[in-house]
Amino acid sequence: AQSVAQPEDQVNVAEGNPLTVKCTYSVSGNPYLFWYVQYPNRGLQFLLKYITGDNLVKGSYGFEAEFNKSQTSFHLKKPSALVSDSALYFCAVRGLTGNTGKLIFGQGTTLQVKP
Amino acid sequence: DGGITQSPKYLFRKEGQNVTLSCEQNLNHDAMYWYRQDPGQGLRLIYYSQIVNDFQKGDIAEGYSVSREKKESFPLTVTSAQKNPTAFYLCASSTRQAGYTFGSGTRLTVV
Repeated sequence: AQSVAQPEDQVNVAEGNPLTVKCTYSVSGNPYLFWYVQYPNRGLQFLLKYITGDNLVKGSYGFEAEFNKSQTSFHLKKPSALVSDSALYFCAVRGLTGNTGKLIFGQGTTLQVKP
Repeated sequence: DGGITQSPKYLFRKEGQNVTLSCEQNLNHDAMYWYRQDPGQGLRLIYYSQIVNDFQKGDIAEGYSVSREKKESFPLTVTSAQKNPTAFYLCASSTRQAGYTFGSGTRLTVV
């Protein structure tokens, strides 16, 4: 069965420091992987995706993520955090075999960036 | 601009009442989805539809119903059988290769 795990409920970082939000996945075949961000009372906004190719994927707002097949991870990173990055972040996976099109979402990680 | 429109933004329901949440997309996406989000929790799939006139139950379909008569529209009805409907409801659409595009959500409150 496909699954996504975000092991941290909350990540706290100081503004200007690098940030990492962790994600691991389990899926049959090669995965499509996604990161979304949600601000309070809003829908989810797409940040970036990995489908194939370079393991380092660059996305919106200076975020990037590294696909690691051996560790089945897709951690979200940013070199220098901003207070405005504070939000709820979701990792999601779509498997390519038996694909119904559904994304499986992690539970979400709240990122708090303090001035 | 292409996108997904959810309405209303806020909805209040009395006990025993059915209410319908609207979701419209002009992205020409085949698939549409409804999710429920409770405070501090992730997304739970209610229903999804991959093609017009066809839809499938998700993980928490009890107390909800949907229809997909047009490609652009995927309304969700919260019935009186749903005992705890207060939540934030998110609609999304996608193509097979892409991720989801989300609407801005409807916050439903039972009064």
